[in-house]
Amino acid sequence: AQKVTQAQTEISVVEKEDVTLDCVYETRDTTYYLFWYKQPPSGELVFLIRRNSFDEQNEISGRYSWNFQKSTSSFNFTITASQVVDSAVYFCALSEGAGGTSYGKLTFGQGTILTVHP
Amino acid sequence: NAGVTQTPKFRVLKTGQSMTLLCAQDMNHEYMYWYRQDPGMGLRLIHYSVGEGTTAKGEVPDGYNVSRLKKQNFLLGLESAAPSQTSVYFCASSYSPGQGSFAYGYTFGSGTRLTVV
Repeated sequence: AQKVTQAQTEISVVEKEDVTLDCVYETRDTTYYLFWYKQPPSGELVFLIRRNSFDEQNEISGRYSWNFQKSTSSFNFTITASQVVDSAVYFCALSEGAGGTSYGKLTFGQGTILTVHP
Repeated sequence: NAGVTQTPKFRVLKTGQSMTLLCAQDMNHEYMYWYRQDPGMGLRLIHYSVGEGTTAKGEVPDGYNVSRLKKQNFLLGLESAAPSQTSVYFCASSYSPGQGSFAYGYTFGSGTRLTVV
């Protein structure tokens, strides 16, 4: 069965520091998608990125970047020059299987609470 | 375009009471899901539906029932609420270009905070 582990329960940084959130996954499938979501204090889930298992290119979007390494089954998320508005809970998630009974079901990690202090 | 709408947003129940959470989507998505979020456990799948009239169990289905009589609506029912069902509930929808393949357009509702006392 698939599993997603976010070993960092809470991270606290000071504004402008860089911070990396770790995500390690387990799956038997060779085809799968990985996601990151942000949950700000208001509670909604904000989609950040979706990456398929065949695309190991790192991605950068403004201050956000993602490092996908199949060799270590990791999909880490880095925020550069963190800001107070980045304070939120961040979830990594996995959707596996092409065909069959996948149907887009997501398996989430436990979440990492990021607090950015001014 | 409202996306995915959940009602109610907040609810307090007494142990043993029943209630239904409604999820409505206006994107003509085939797939719909109910997740619950608990501290330190992320989101876990309760039930899901791959089309009108079909439902299936997820990871934590006990104590819940669901129905999808209309494509746009997915109802989550608690027949006899228990304190262990205190949680934040999220509904989501998605579509697939081919049967059983990956889901696209994943959209979450804003959540329902349920407290059972």
